[in-house]
Amino acid sequence: DVKVTQSSRYLVKRTGEKVFLECVQDMDHENMFWYRQDPGLGLRLIYFSYDVKMKEKGDIPEGYSVSREKKERFSLILESASTNQTSMYLCASSLGQTGNTIYFGEGSWLTVV
Amino acid sequence: KNEVEQSPQNLTAQEGEFITINCSYSVGISALHWLQQHPGGGIVSLFMLSSGKKKHGRLIATINIQEKHSSLHITASHPRDSAVYICAVPPPSYGGSQGNLIFGKGTKLSVKP
Repeated sequence: DVKVTQSSRYLVKRTGEKVFLECVQDMDHENMFWYRQDPGLGLRLIYFSYDVKMKEKGDIPEGYSVSREKKERFSLILESASTNQTSMYLCASSLGQTGNTIYFGEGSWLTVV
Repeated sequence: KNEVEQSPQNLTAQEGEFITINCSYSVGISALHWLQQHPGGGIVSLFMLSSGKKKHGRLIATINIQEKHSSLHITASHPRDSAVYICAVPPPSYGGSQGNLIFGKGTKLSVKP
């Protein structure tokens, strides 16, 4: 069974802390994505990667960076967490071409205080 | 940019009712996705379709490419169908965005016993 695993389900961090959200997929997918989801705004793309060491900015990359050193792992980094980054973060993966099924992780609820 | 509109935003139904959720998009696409998100966060892909109709259990998805419209139907609805249903389409062009999706804001369905 296909699986996208996010390392932390619930996190509470302080303003200014560096935060790492990890995502691992076991399907050998080329594409990996990080989204945030806020009430009334739907899913918004932060960054995506279509290959190892490749990354593309999404709609809301400010305040975030990403790392993809291995095909199966895609990390989202908040260099200096702020309260407006309190949100639900979802990782996803899919095979290379558009039109393939996308698989999501369970989500990480981040609260920045 | 492809705009995705879903209706209704919220839907309350009685157990057993037939339910329809609609999705319209502005630019021609290769495939459309229907996703389900239960309380707690995880998102599951229900359907991916590029033409006609697909059926899985009590769920039916249809798409009209010419009218740029898709519907998700649930027959004999049940409280366990309560979730947010999200429609998603690929962006109109590639160039680094392959595999990415544009999401509707979702329809929150509540089925009462």
